[in-house]
Amino acid sequence: QKEVEQNSGPLSVPEGAIASLNCTYSDRGSQSFFWYRQYSGKSPELIMFIYSNGDKEDGRFTAQLNKASQYVSLLIRDSQPSDSATYLCAVNGNDMRFGAGTRLTVKP
Amino acid sequence: KAGVTQTPRYLIKTRGQQVTLSCSPISGHRSVSWYQQTPGQGLQFLFEYFSETQRNKGNFPGRFSGRQFSNSRSEMNVSTLELGDSALYLCATRDSEAETQYFGPGTRLLVL
Repeated sequence: QKEVEQNSGPLSVPEGAIASLNCTYSDRGSQSFFWYRQYSGKSPELIMFIYSNGDKEDGRFTAQLNKASQYVSLLIRDSQPSDSATYLCAVNGNDMRFGAGTRLTVKP
Repeated sequence: KAGVTQTPRYLIKTRGQQVTLSCSPISGHRSVSWYQQTPGQGLQFLFEYFSETQRNKGNFPGRFSGRQFSNSRSEMNVSTLELGDSALYLCATRDSEAETQYFGPGTRLLVL
């Protein structure tokens, strides 16, 4: 079992829709959780981080964390074509572990 | 503040050679982590350095090594290159008090 698992996608949504990206992790001792966006040929850039159970909102992005279920998600509201990228979930326990990423395509 | 810089950006080597990559962190960041990214394996943790000491190490062979200097700049070295070492090598730096990492642009290594 991989330590951080994401659906590889591709996930395709129409412009203006909500995109839902999911991530599960195996290390119950993990304390902090991150979502990065990576455009093709570029390096990852941080979108959000979350430490506590519940929701955290930042503009069109909402991160949700459920430590009991070892589950973290990212919702993107009003998706735009510029959101088309690979989204990486990262979990920090003893060190930072990344999921393989979910490729999102937003179609105009 | 200037961002994380990595040099060189692109590199072509042949099997058996060795390579050294460099990472200069954001000013004030003392932690530098290195990652290897390939299409098949995704982003994999190599090691982390903090204040010139290796703090964590991922599951890579001893051919992969690194070091950090007193100005927090870090280098990683790969000896006896193999075709499978072709990848994007990313460094990420963070402030010692924060967990948020900021990535450099990466060095794309091609081994022929």
